[in-house]
Amino acid sequence: DGGITQSPKYLFRKEGQNVTLSCEQNLNHDAMYWYRQDPGQGLRLIYYSQIVNDFQKGDIAEGYSVSREKKESFPLTVTSAQKNPTAFYLCASSMFGSSGNTIYFGEGSWLTVV
Amino acid sequence: AQSVTQPDIHITVSEGASLELRCNYSYGATPYLFWYVQSPGQGLQLLLKYFSGDTLVQGIKGFEAEFKRSQSSFNLRKPSVHWSDAAEYFCAVGAGGGATNKLIFGTGTLLAVQP
Repeated sequence: DGGITQSPKYLFRKEGQNVTLSCEQNLNHDAMYWYRQDPGQGLRLIYYSQIVNDFQKGDIAEGYSVSREKKESFPLTVTSAQKNPTAFYLCASSMFGSSGNTIYFGEGSWLTVV
Repeated sequence: AQSVTQPDIHITVSEGASLELRCNYSYGATPYLFWYVQSPGQGLQLLLKYFSGDTLVQGIKGFEAEFKRSQSSFNLRKPSVHWSDAAEYFCAVGAGGGATNKLIFGTGTLLAVQP
């Protein structure tokens, strides 16, 4: 089945550690996105990528990093510089990066800082 | 700046009753509008979308939404709610100029369904 796979589903991190969330899609989509979800705040865009080897900061990029070495993969690293990393992280993709293209979401990853 | 407002944080309806979830947007050009549904701890599923044309849009699971430009609204409706509709609903507007496709989300409406 075609879709977006995020792993791990649940992740615990000690303060001061970096952690990487995986996102893989087999939809042949050009554009990929990372959103962060906090209760009562909806979804906020962290980073997005329209093509391989290119990505742009979203609204809350501080403390995060990404790479796009392959069309299918868009991993997100939560660095120790992120002050409040505990959240639900959603990866998404769309056929193209143009406005109006439907964005599809993965099942999400829960990150808890302990 | 683009924004989306969902004025109702939480709504409770009885099973079989009708439902309307409100969404207002602020966007300078023709908006691309979406409704997504999220079950607890899961990703978002697209219910329906409006790009252009007929202002009444049909979606999955019996949902529909009407685009009203004069009111800057895109309210979601369902004539008869089922218990399985209990979830959180997000309205979003497609923002970004040129080749950028970024969704601006509302804060969501949590729907509870009473038996």
